[in-house]
Amino acid sequence: AQSVAQPEDQVNVAEGNPLTVKCTYSVSGNPYLFWYVQYPNRGLQFLLKYITGDNLVKGSYGFEAEFNKSQTSFHLKKPSALVSDSALYFCAVSLYSGGGADGLTFGKGTHLIIQP
Amino acid sequence: DGGITQSPKYLFRKEGQNVTLSCEQNLNHDAMYWYRQDPGQGLRLIYYSQIVNDFQKGDIAEGYSVSREKKESFPLTVTSAQKNPTAFYLCASSRQAGGSYNEQFFGPGTRLTVL
Repeated sequence: AQSVAQPEDQVNVAEGNPLTVKCTYSVSGNPYLFWYVQYPNRGLQFLLKYITGDNLVKGSYGFEAEFNKSQTSFHLKKPSALVSDSALYFCAVSLYSGGGADGLTFGKGTHLIIQP
Repeated sequence: DGGITQSPKYLFRKEGQNVTLSCEQNLNHDAMYWYRQDPGQGLRLIYYSQIVNDFQKGDIAEGYSVSREKKESFPLTVTSAQKNPTAFYLCASSRQAGGSYNEQFFGPGTRLTVL
């Protein structure tokens, strides 16, 4: 069975500072990894994904994530935080099943709070 | 304007009643999904469908049912057998049934409250 861990319920960062939201995963195979963001009472918005190739993935709104196979991690990063980045962030994993799209396994989410 | 619509946005149900949540997409996506979100638990997969007239159970299918009669529509019924139905329900779709590497697009969600 696959699983995702987001060890921090909340991350606080001052505006303009770099931010990191942590994610580790456990799968028996090669993972596909995703980051999504959710604003209050809204659906999820896709930020970026890792499928294969370059370990550093760039996504929407200046976010990036680094895939580290030896540490089974996929941390989300941004060089300079904005107050508007404050939201709930989810890491998710899927696994190639050979048969089709099987749905995502999500972490529990991390609240990111950017302080002015 | 392409996207996924869910209705209603808020839904109230009395105990013992079945209720159906609507999900429609005009993205021409093959695969559709239903997730349930509870505070502090992330999203959990209820059902998913890769093609019309076919669907599979996810991790928490008990007390729920779905149908996929049209490519655009994937309604979810919350039955009276679901022990704790109060939650935020999210529908999603993705581009290609053959690829679990495709990102999913989410609707705005339906908040169900059992009175």
